[in-house]
Amino acid sequence: GAGVSQSPRYKVAKRGQDVALRCDPISGHVSLFWYQQALGQGPEFLTYFQNEAQLDKSGLPSDRFFAERPEGSVSTLKIQRTQQEDSAVYLCASSHRGVVPLHFGNGTRLTVT
Amino acid sequence: DAKTTQPNSMESNEEEPVHLPCNHSTISGTDYIHWYRQLPSQGPEYVIHGLTSNVNNRMASLAIAEDRKSSTLILHRATLRDAAVYYCILRDIRDDKIIFGKGTRLHILP
Repeated sequence: GAGVSQSPRYKVAKRGQDVALRCDPISGHVSLFWYQQALGQGPEFLTYFQNEAQLDKSGLPSDRFFAERPEGSVSTLKIQRTQQEDSAVYLCASSHRGVVPLHFGNGTRLTVT
Repeated sequence: DAKTTQPNSMESNEEEPVHLPCNHSTISGTDYIHWYRQLPSQGPEYVIHGLTSNVNNRMASLAIAEDRKSSTLILHRATLRDAAVYYCILRDIRDDKIIFGKGTRLHILP
């Protein structure tokens, strides 16, 4: 069956450019999560949606990071004026509500040059 | 969030059992114990979770200490495909998100 799909798989941006990363969750999953993973580190929580409502954005590192999920399905993580420290793998996960497993995509590797 | 402590890395021989320890001395009564693993160049993958009793599934077993201050993930017969970073995570029943630590990097020797 279809899992969580993320695109693009790789993205190279020049410092100062804006980028948009897309996540297609598993159909019917209410919850959607974004994580940032730096090289050699565990994933760091960024933000969480329940349907179209962004319930937790405590992990977004700055106001340059913005996430949306307007129709409660596909989500986009946007990073404005990218900086070198934004280079990381951005992971998306989806799940039903409750203490249930999260299903992760394989991430988008962002490199800012 | 309550914290977990895991060894940075472990080694095991192929086709032998592997016991991955996790300490969580500050666990609360509403925390579930979750394990995820991350293979190279992939997103994390759910392995197993439990609250108080030991749990088994097709991937692994989870042994939880009686006082719940520690747990052990057991891979019954490791294969080379089990080489990954294994994360032990406490997840509050009231919280949908999970918070990762540094995990244990498991190396499997052929």
